Amino acid sequence: QKEVEQDPGPLSVPEGAIVSLNCTYSNSAFQYFMWYRQYSRKGPELLMYTYSSGNKEDGRFTAQVDKSSKYISLFIRDSQPSDSATYLCAMSKGNNRLAFGKGNQVVVIP
Amino acid sequence: DSGVTQTPKHLITATGQRVTLRCSPRSGDLSVYWYQQSLDQGLQFLIQYYNGEERAKGNILERFSAQQFPDLHSELNLSSLELGDSALYFCASSDSPSGSIYEQFFGPGTRLTVL
Repeated sequence: QKEVEQDPGPLSVPEGAIVSLNCTYSNSAFQYFMWYRQYSRKGPELLMYTYSSGNKEDGRFTAQVDKSSKYISLFIRDSQPSDSATYLCAMSKGNNRLAFGKGNQVVVIP
Repeated sequence: DSGVTQTPKHLITATGQRVTLRCSPRSGDLSVYWYQQSLDQGLQFLIQYYNGEERAKGNILERFSAQQFPDLHSELNLSSLELGDSALYFCASSDSPSGSIYEQFFGPGTRLTVL
């Protein structure tokens, strides 16, 4: 069983819709939870970062962490064509290693 | 632009060969990380260097090695290449030895194709 599971299926949504992405994990030692965005032919860039359980909001983006269920989510409100990218969840125990999910390709259709 | 540079952008080589990928971290960053991204495995951590010293090791094959030089640039050496080594190789840097707490900045990657 992989440490981090992210269903890699592509997601197509109309502009303005809410995008919902999630990851599950098996290692209860993970404390730091991140979402990276990767545009085509580019490296990943940090989008959201949370520590332990709870919600964090940044503009149209909301990250949720439920440590009891080992489940994290990312919501994108009022999605825009510029949000079309691959979204990767990542997590860490607080050491030097990031464990990534496989990523979800999101396409926002104008 | 993250400030991390990687060369070359693309590399095409044959099985059994050896290649070197190069990474220059952001100015001031002492930590360099190497990752491999493939369709079936996703983004996998390979190795981290901090100020010239190996700091952490992930799923790095024995055929692969890395080093960080005094000017903080890093090289990833891949030898006895196999078809399965074809992937995107990313370098990331951060200003902390514990990059999971502080943001890791990723370079544009090197696409390696082994024929």
